[in-house]
Amino acid sequence: GAVVSQHPSRVICKSGTSVKIECRSLDFQATTMFWYRQFPKQSLMLMATSNEGSKATYEQGVEKDKFLINHASLTLSTLTVTSAHPEDSSFYICSAREGPMNTEAFFGQGTRLTVV
Amino acid sequence: AQTVTQSQPEMSVQEAETVTLSCTYDTSESNYYLFWYKQPPSRQMILVIRQEAYKQQNATENRFSVNFQKAAKSFSLKISDSQLGDTAMYFCAFMNNNAGNMLTFGGGTRLMVKP
Repeated sequence: GAVVSQHPSRVICKSGTSVKIECRSLDFQATTMFWYRQFPKQSLMLMATSNEGSKATYEQGVEKDKFLINHASLTLSTLTVTSAHPEDSSFYICSAREGPMNTEAFFGQGTRLTVV
Repeated sequence: AQTVTQSQPEMSVQEAETVTLSCTYDTSESNYYLFWYKQPPSRQMILVIRQEAYKQQNATENRFSVNFQKAAKSFSLKISDSQLGDTAMYFCAFMNNNAGNMLTFGGGTRLMVKP
């Protein structure tokens, strides 16, 4: 299957700082990328959907000014957690789909964010 | 909105035995896809099996098979000859082709395969 690389795998940041997470499709062009958040022992909750070259669509309850998503190219999407707080600590996962008719989504390895 | 329910938070099975994980969903759509994903301790999401709603035949992938009951909106996963490496979280997921191809996940079932 196709490969999606997410970086970093772990990050610790101080409260009030911003942290950027990258999601890259290595061997295909991802027209759509999805960002999820997963709390311990819970399921994946969709945060936002991003299409290359357009603004991300955020799910209800997700602050778009806090979780900035950029999908500037067909192989890269970034999630920036701005002014991070301890409650933002979580596991963040991206997934990518090659085209609108493609039903399979490929997942990155995830990023464990700890805000201290 | 679609909902996906996994009623078994945890399950265990002896190595080499068979186990079935349950999943039900709610939708008014007729054209959709269903998936089972595996999330081992590494947290990497791995696609186990996929079912197209318009196909009556149940999908099979080696030791993994599904029992898709469209009228009952049920999509269970059967793992045969369970192996220690099958120990993981399993998520059932729904995708509606008419809603941006986004996945809606169930709450997950933690499966432990015992030696």
